[in-house]
Amino acid sequence: KAGVTQTPRYLIKTRGQQVTLSCSPISGHRSVSWYQQTPGQGLQFLFEYFSETQRNKGNFPGRFSGRQFSNSRSEMNVSTLELGDSALYLCASSLDDRGSYEQYFGPGTRLTVT
Amino acid sequence: AQSVTQLGSHVSVSEGALVLLRCNYSSSVPPYLFWYVQYPNQGLQLLLKYTTGATLVKGINGFEAEFKKSETSFHLTKPSAHMSDAAEYFCAVGGATNKLIFGTGTLLAVQP
Repeated sequence: KAGVTQTPRYLIKTRGQQVTLSCSPISGHRSVSWYQQTPGQGLQFLFEYFSETQRNKGNFPGRFSGRQFSNSRSEMNVSTLELGDSALYLCASSLDDRGSYEQYFGPGTRLTVT
Repeated sequence: AQSVTQLGSHVSVSEGALVLLRCNYSSSVPPYLFWYVQYPNQGLQLLLKYTTGATLVKGINGFEAEFKKSETSFHLTKPSAHMSDAAEYFCAVGGATNKLIFGTGTLLAVQP
């Protein structure tokens, strides 16, 4: 079975621009969660989608948004980029949303904002 | 509310020595506990998890962890370190949802 894939792997954007990151979960998985990883703040939960519905949301400003499609693929969007948005963005997929199932992480998208 | 504390941001062991990485959690609901490993420029790989049942959990690559409710701990151990174990290790707590709260990580160095 193919693992979680994320595209692109690396991205350089300018402050004020917007960016869209993509995540394809493991086949059959219906839950996709997004995390931001930075040296200063560590791993922080952004949001989770299950069956095209946002189930949970972390403490991030409204500039961070996401969606999930009927095939469970998910995208996250960051508008009006700030320097502090530079981070590794990880997505994780799981069979369902009940917390007891394993979450499998993708390799991440490294976003650099200049 | 849930939180995780990992004691020791850097741990160094000799090859063949015991690995002990510490994790304490706080949770207002019965916790699900996880250990993940991250190699440079990669995502997170699940080592093991505790949900319910047996408190001693065995994972991949010879790692295991014991859930101790009275001590609110979930320490990760491996009897004999290998050079390939050098990586960053994260403890995480979850509950009835997929939202995970991660600790700050422990960078494990293995000396030859």
